[in-house]
Amino acid sequence: QQKVQQSPESLIVPEGGMASLNCTFSDRNSQYFWWYRQHSGEGPKALMSIFSNGDKKEGRFTAHLNKASLYVSLHIKDSQPSDSALYFCAAVSGGNYKPTFGKGTSLVVHP
Amino acid sequence: ETAVFQTPNYHVTQVGNEVSFNCKQTLGHDTMYWYKQDSKKLLKIMFSYNNKQLIVNETVPRRFSPQSSDKAHLNLRIKSVEPEDSAVYLCASSPGGRDTQYFGPGTRLLVL
Repeated sequence: QQKVQQSPESLIVPEGGMASLNCTFSDRNSQYFWWYRQHSGEGPKALMSIFSNGDKKEGRFTAHLNKASLYVSLHIKDSQPSDSALYFCAAVSGGNYKPTFGKGTSLVVHP
Repeated sequence: ETAVFQTPNYHVTQVGNEVSFNCKQTLGHDTMYWYKQDSKKLLKIMFSYNNKQLIVNETVPRRFSPQSSDKAHLNLRIKSVEPEDSAVYLCASSPGGRDTQYFGPGTRLLVL
């Protein structure tokens, strides 16, 4: 069964700083990966997806995927207080299309 | 912009009662999901439907049953709720099983 682990559990960065979130997965058949963000009292919202090895940049957000190392990460440049939220990594295996979410990283960006 | 709607927002009930939660998506997606988010914010998939057909059915107690009338609606019924059912229930939809999911705001259930 797929296991998705995220680190750190919580992270505090100053406004304008860089936040780095990590995620490892156990199923080598995993093909599709997402980062979701959840603000308090809301449902999760997709930030970005990454399906190929390497980096993918969207604005201040950069995702990195290394399938051989079973690793995906998210880097947030120039962090803003509005980035304070719970961040989930999700992985989907090609066979069953069942998403597995990590336990989340709580990010606090202080002004 | 909300495109996945859930009702009610919040529900308080007593042990042994039956509850039903509704979910509707206006995105035209083929796949819908129910997740349970516990007090530690852990997200666990419960059910997944594709075009009204059940495709994922995780190990959840039998008192939980999904109901789909059409591909835009996926409801969740819990017969005889237990205290451990207290959680936020999140509905989501996606075009297909390997696509980005769009979540609703959730229904918070409190079982006394």
